Amino acid sequence: DQQVKQNSPSLSVQEGRISILNCDYTNSMFDYFLWYKKYPAEGPTFLISISSIKDKNEDGRFTVFLNKSAKHLSLHIVPSQPGDSAVYFCAASALRGKLIFGQGTELSVKP
Amino acid sequence: DTEVTQTPKHLVMGMTNKKSLKCEQHMGHRAMYWYKQKAKKPPELMFVYSYEKLSINESVPSRFSPECPNSSLLNLHLHALQPEDSALYLCASKRTPGANVLTFGAGSRLTVL
Repeated sequence: DQQVKQNSPSLSVQEGRISILNCDYTNSMFDYFLWYKKYPAEGPTFLISISSIKDKNEDGRFTVFLNKSAKHLSLHIVPSQPGDSAVYFCAASALRGKLIFGQGTELSVKP
Repeated sequence: DTEVTQTPKHLVMGMTNKKSLKCEQHMGHRAMYWYKQKAKKPPELMFVYSYEKLSINESVPSRFSPECPNSSLLNLHLHALQPEDSALYLCASKRTPGANVLTFGAGSRLTVL
């Protein structure tokens, strides 16, 4: 049973436009959500997170939105840059327990 | 120092070899993790050490043996591996077991022949 799902394996966006990466979850006990970015042959790098008591968290070009009723979160990158091209993993935890990762979305930002 | 350092970056071993992967962090983190990642898949949790004690073993085969000699070091001893064990092995740490954010190392790419 996949508790965290990223249904789009890939996304292609033009430089300067907005990238929107989506993530759905099934476990209503999840109370903390994170996005990680991963380049090939490197470990995942923490990008941004959000607690379930919030619906939005912003850090520079990156904004994460949480819709608890829909069990959905999204990562917005604006403006997108070629250096943002990477695989993005959504992850969730309940009560500070084990992190559950989604399958990842490969973002390609074209110049 | 805000890094998790893993060595070696690449390792090729035969099925009868014994080798070890090493992980080091000097951030004072007291929870350390081993993950396995296959291509195009998310990281899969293998082991968790909390305050230098093994707290989680995700039913990992005994050919993988973790060790936490002190609060800064984490090893993964490998013996009699199978070709399907070829993967990227990621070490990660958290400030405390209850913290939210994991910091990952760059990984050790293992190939089993």
